[in-house]
Amino acid sequence: QVTLRESGPALVKPTQTLTLTCTFSGFSLNTGGTCVTWLRQPPGKALEWLALIDWDEDKYYSPSLKTRLTISRDTPKNQVVLTLTNMDPVDTGTYYCARIGSRKDSALDVWGQGSMVTVSS
Amino acid sequence: SYVLTQPPSVSVAPGQTARITCGGNTIATKPVHWYQQRPGQAPVVVVYDDSDRPSGIPERFSGSKSGSTATLTISRVEAGDEADYYCHVWDTSSFVVFGGGTKLTVL
Repeated sequence: QVTLRESGPALVKPTQTLTLTCTFSGFSLNTGGTCVTWLRQPPGKALEWLALIDWDEDKYYSPSLKTRLTISRDTPKNQVVLTLTNMDPVDTGTYYCARIGSRKDSALDVWGQGSMVTVSS
Repeated sequence: SYVLTQPPSVSVAPGQTARITCGGNTIATKPVHWYQQRPGQAPVVVVYDDSDRPSGIPERFSGSKSGSTATLTISRVEAGDEADYYCHVWDTSSFVVFGGGTKLTVL
């Protein structure tokens, strides 16, 4: 069974750096075609894609946020970590990680339950 | 940057057919995926690769594509189909692209 679970702080202060961890099981990020990606959703708003890391450790970032984002993987721990610097209240929302199973243009076939992050002083 | 355009809302009576569109330049050349998101829940894929359905998704959900528009069709709409729906493609310059979402209201 494929599962993903996001973890991280529920509250961060403005200007701080957010670090979120996606812990997955039931698949290997070493398998060709497999990717893990991060998205977010402000309250009441649409999904916004953030970053993706693939089986070859290639990394892709949202053009609008790439200067603030870093995605990395810890293969032995089956984890993918996302950092977002210089947090602002507009970054408040639910952050999701998801798997892409067979190629980069495939569907996000399994999602985590999401991690709510509030940015406030 | 690549943009996918969805109508903000679609309303339909129970038992009728809902059609949700997703427009994008060169969408004809890209696999399109559709997600359903119920309030307070993570999205779930309902159609992938334009018209395939994951196991467990009712046959009432179908996808199609023509020209610069992809369409998610929900037949015999039920109250439980009320949700937000998103389309998604991969673009070589913008990478993972989602549409702005469509709120389906069952009257």
